[in-house]
Amino acid sequence: DGGITQSPKYLFRKEGQNVTLSCEQNLNHDAMYWYRQDPGQGLRLIYYSQIVNDFQKGDIAEGYSVSREKKESFPLTVTSAQKNPTAFYLCASKTSGRSNEQYFGPGTRLTVT
Amino acid sequence: AQSVTQPDIHITVSEGASLELRCNYSYGATPYLFWYVQSPGQGLQLLLKYFSGDTLVQGIKGFEAEFKRSQSSFNLRKPSVHWSDAAEYFCAVSTGGGNKLTFGTGTQLKVEL
Repeated sequence: DGGITQSPKYLFRKEGQNVTLSCEQNLNHDAMYWYRQDPGQGLRLIYYSQIVNDFQKGDIAEGYSVSREKKESFPLTVTSAQKNPTAFYLCASKTSGRSNEQYFGPGTRLTVT
Repeated sequence: AQSVTQPDIHITVSEGASLELRCNYSYGATPYLFWYVQSPGQGLQLLLKYFSGDTLVQGIKGFEAEFKRSQSSFNLRKPSVHWSDAAEYFCAVSTGGGNKLTFGTGTQLKVEL
């Protein structure tokens, strides 16, 4: 089955630790995205990548980092510099071309205490 | 900059009743418009999209939406709601040439039996 996988579903970390969230897709999509979701705020774009070895900051990139070494993978690292890291993180991907229809993974809920 | 407003944070309807969820966008040209649905703790599923052409678009699960340029709106409708429609609904806009989606803050739908 084609789709987007995010692991783990739930992640717990202590304050001050970096943590990496996984996102893998087998849809052969060129572009991939990371969003953060907080109650009452909708989804906000963290980073996105349109091709391998290239990525751009979204609206709330501070405290996060990404890499895109393979087309299928777009891991997100939440660093200790992120002031409020506890949130639901969603990964998405889309094909190239005019359509901006994005397909979403199931999400990872990160809790930092 | 583009923006999306979903004025209703919560809506409650009785099963079998009709539904309309409101979405207003701010963008100079004709945008690409989307409605997504999210069940608790899950990723987002695309319900329908508008790129051009017929302003009334049909989606999955019996949903439809109408693009009204004069009102900068893209309201989602369903003639008869089912209990399984209870979820959070997000409207999103894209500028088409770009690769980013801007989301509204969502409308939480509750269905009373």
